[in-house]
Amino acid sequence: AQKITQTQPGMFVQEKEAVTLDCTYDTSDQSYGLFWYKQPSSGEMIFLIYQGSYDEQNATEGRYSLNFQKARKSANLVISASQLGDSAMYFCAMRANNQGGKLIFGQGTELSVKP
Amino acid sequence: DVKVTQSSRYLVKRTGEKVFLECVQDMDHENMFWYRQDPGLGLRLIYFSYDVKMKEKGDIPEGYSVSREKKERFSLILESASTNQTSMYLCASSLLTVNTEAFFGQGTRLTVV
Repeated sequence: AQKITQTQPGMFVQEKEAVTLDCTYDTSDQSYGLFWYKQPSSGEMIFLIYQGSYDEQNATEGRYSLNFQKARKSANLVISASQLGDSAMYFCAMRANNQGGKLIFGQGTELSVKP
Repeated sequence: DVKVTQSSRYLVKRTGEKVFLECVQDMDHENMFWYRQDPGLGLRLIYFSYDVKMKEKGDIPEGYSVSREKKERFSLILESASTNQTSMYLCASSLLTVNTEAFFGQGTRLTVV
């Protein structure tokens, strides 16, 4: 069975500092994808970054990077130079091959950026 | 632009009513999903579909059913609404391949009284 675990219900970070949001996953599939989404208070779900299980390099998208450690089954999101607009819920998600496209999410981490 | 549209933003229903939540996407996506979102529990998968008339149970299918008669439309049905089904419901769609992201609707806040 697939599972995503986010163990930090809430996090605080000072503006302009970097922050790491933790995500661990469990799957028996060899081919899978890992995603991070942002959900601001408006409620929309915004896709941030993707990492494939066979990708050798960590994914980066602007100020977002994904620290992928396959052996530890972790896919942590790193946000550099935090901004006030980064305050939101962040969700880690996974899709595995041979699962009909099934997409599951973690419990989420609420990030608050302090001025 | 990909668009996923949920029929209602807010809905109030009575206990025991049959409730239909509709979701339409315009990008010819194979996959469609229904989630419910509750504080501290994240997004929990209720049902998903990878083709017309195909459906798969997610992690919390009890009390729900789904229908996908056309590729662009995926309906969530609460056969007999109960107060513990009060929640935010999110629909999403995506291509079938594992390396593609899902696109979400705006959500339906359902209150069962």
